[in-house]
Amino acid sequence: QSALTQPPSASGSPGQSVTFSCTGTSSDVGGYDHVSWYQHHPGKGPKLIIHEVTKRPSGVPDRFSGSKSGNTASLTVSGLQAEDEADYYCFSYGGSNNWVFGGGTKLTVL
Amino acid sequence: EVQLVESGGGLIQPGGSLRLSCAASGFNFSDHSMNWVRQAPGKGLEWVSYINAASDARWYTDSVKGRFTISRDNAQTSLYLHMNSLRAEDTGVYYCARDHDWTSDYWGQGILVTVSS
Repeated sequence: QSALTQPPSASGSPGQSVTFSCTGTSSDVGGYDHVSWYQHHPGKGPKLIIHEVTKRPSGVPDRFSGSKSGNTASLTVSGLQAEDEADYYCFSYGGSNNWVFGGGTKLTVL
Repeated sequence: EVQLVESGGGLIQPGGSLRLSCAASGFNFSDHSMNWVRQAPGKGLEWVSYINAASDARWYTDSVKGRFTISRDNAQTSLYLHMNSLRAEDTGVYYCARDHDWTSDYWGQGILVTVSS
C-alpha cells in the first residue's frame, strides 16, 4: 500500500486561508469516505481535526474544513493563527484491512 | 478525560524483541477497537496494526506481518504490541490510538523505540 501524496510544505500569513491536498487512488481516497486529517505538533500525539471527509470532532474550530473530489481530498484552514503551525496528515482506509497515511504537509505561519 | 499512556520502549539490538504497552483510561476500553501507529525519525506517520474490541480481528501493515503481534486485556484496559525480529527500520515513536468510526480519535504521547547495535 503506497502512501497518499501530500505536498511537503505550505505557508500563509495570519488571517489568510491555506488548502492542503491529499491524492490517492480509487482503492483508497476515491473508493471510501473514510478520510481523516490530523494536526501534529512535534513531541505530542496527533490531533484529529476532520473525519469522514468533512466531519469536525467537537472542539475543533470551524476554521478547519474538509472535502473530497475523486481521488483527492483537501483540508482548508481559514483565518490562519500562529498555533496552526504544525504538520498535517491525511489518512484513509485503503481496503483489504489496510489504512494509509499521507506523507504530511508542514504548515508555516509567516 | 480519555488518556492513553505508552510504555516499554527503549534501545534494542537488531533481531531482538520488545513489548510495548498502552494503559487506557477515561473511557469504556472494551467498547473500542485500537490501533498502533509509528513515526520513523524525520518521516511521516505509518499505520502499524489494528485490533477490534473482542480481539477476533487483528490486522497489520505488510512490513510487520509475522513479526509483530497486537493484543489487549480488556480487564486491565491495556493494549500491547509484541515486536520480534526487530530491524533498524522499526526505529521510531510508537503511538497507541483509540479507533472510532474508521479513524483514530484519541492518541497517546508516544514512546520511542530505537533498534541499533
